[in-house]
Amino acid sequence: AQSVTQPDIHITVSEGASLELRCNYSYGATPYLFWYVQSPGQGLQLLLKYFSGDTLVQGIKGFEAEFKRSQSSFNLRKPSVHWSDAAEYFCAVGEDQTGANNLFFGTGTRLTVIP
Amino acid sequence: DGGITQSPKYLFRKEGQNVTLSCEQNLNHDAMYWYRQDPGQGLRLIYYSQIVNDFQKGDIAEGYSVSREKKESFPLTVTSAQKNPTAFYLCASSQREGSEQFFGPGTRLTVL
Repeated sequence: AQSVTQPDIHITVSEGASLELRCNYSYGATPYLFWYVQSPGQGLQLLLKYFSGDTLVQGIKGFEAEFKRSQSSFNLRKPSVHWSDAAEYFCAVGEDQTGANNLFFGTGTRLTVIP
Repeated sequence: DGGITQSPKYLFRKEGQNVTLSCEQNLNHDAMYWYRQDPGQGLRLIYYSQIVNDFQKGDIAEGYSVSREKKESFPLTVTSAQKNPTAFYLCASSQREGSEQFFGPGTRLTVL
């Protein structure tokens, strides 16, 4: 069965510092992988996605993620964090074999940015 | 602008009452989804629909019902059978061929 693990519940970084949010997945086939961001009380916004090809994907707001099949990981990175990046981040794996397009989400990582 | 709308943003109901949450999309997407979000638990799938007049149960369908009479609309009813309905509810849609889902702004339901 598909599953996603985000081992860090809460991360605090200083503005301008680099960021890495961890995501590990369990899926038998080639996964579709996503990172979403959610501001308090809002819906989810897609940051980036991986379907196939280049394992380093670029997203919006200066984020990138790298797919590592050997480690079953899809970690999100940003070289310099801005105060506006404070939010909750969700990693998700997609199931498309049945055409259902269902997504399985991790429990999220809350990012706090300090001045 | 294309997107997904959910209404209302905040909803209060008395225990034992059924309540219907609205979700509308103008993205021409075939598939629509309902998720429930609780603190520390991420998103859990309630129901999904790949096409009009068809829908499937997700992981936590008990106490909920849906309909899909129109492509643009996928309302969710939280029934009195749902034991703990207070939560944040998110609606999403996607193209049938792709896996990227687009989300609405959510409805926060509080049962008093």
